[in-house]
Amino acid sequence: QSVLTQPPSVSGAPGQRVTISCTGSTSNIGANYDVHWYQQLPGTAPKLLIYGNNNRPSGVPDRFSGSKSGTSASLAITGLQAEDEADYYCQSYDSRLSGVVFGGGTKLTVL
Amino acid sequence: EVQLVESGGGLVQPGGSLRLSCAASGFTFSSYWMHWVRQAPGKGLVWVSRINRDGTSTTYADSVKGRFTISRDNAKNTLYLQMNSLRAEDTAVYYCAREEKIGIQSDYWGQGTLVTVSS
Repeated sequence: QSVLTQPPSVSGAPGQRVTISCTGSTSNIGANYDVHWYQQLPGTAPKLLIYGNNNRPSGVPDRFSGSKSGTSASLAITGLQAEDEADYYCQSYDSRLSGVVFGGGTKLTVL
Repeated sequence: EVQLVESGGGLVQPGGSLRLSCAASGFTFSSYWMHWVRQAPGKGLVWVSRINRDGTSTTYADSVKGRFTISRDNAKNTLYLQMNSLRAEDTAVYYCAREEKIGIQSDYWGQGTLVTVSS
C-alpha cells in the first residue's frame, strides 16, 4: 500500500484524453510539497514527465500536463497515442516519513 | 552526455550482503544529490535512499533502515548502496537516479541492476 494512491489502470482510444489521479494526505501533497510524474515504458527505466506539479522537461510533448489541488494531483494526456502505453507514477515528499514517496503506479492502455 | 551505470547485482542468499555501485559520468557528480529506487518484479517504484552532495546527510525508507547504507565517493564519481541482512522482499531491480538541483525529482536514471535474494 503506497502513501500516494493511484488507480491501477486507465484506458482510452487513440486521440482521446485520459487523466490519472494521485491522492495523498496532509503530510505530503497537502503539505504543499510538489508532485512529479514519471513514465515507464516496458523494460526501461523511468523517465521524468512532469516536475513541480505542472512543468514539462525539454522534449516532453505538450499533450502531457499536470495539476495539483489540495491533497491530490492529476496527470492529463490529450491526443492519446499508441506510444503513450506505459506505466505512470506520481512522486512527492512526505514530512511524516521524512522521505520521498511514490504512487503505486497506473498502467495506461491505448485501446 | 549524462550517464549512470549500476553494477553489483546478482543472486544472494537470505541474510547475505551485497554492494551496489553506480558510476556517474557526463556531469559534475559532486554537485547533485543522488537516490536509490527499487522495483520488485512486476511491481511499482519504491524509493530506497537519498544522499546529499558531500555524503554527510542520508535518509532511508523504513523498510531498509538499519540494513542498507548509502554512500558516495565524489573523487571516483560513484554512488554506493551497501545492503546487509537481505530478505526475499528485497528482490528487485535497483536504480540509481540523479536529483535535479531544485526539487526532489530525478531527471536521469540508470538502467538498473537486478538483485535476487533466494536460497
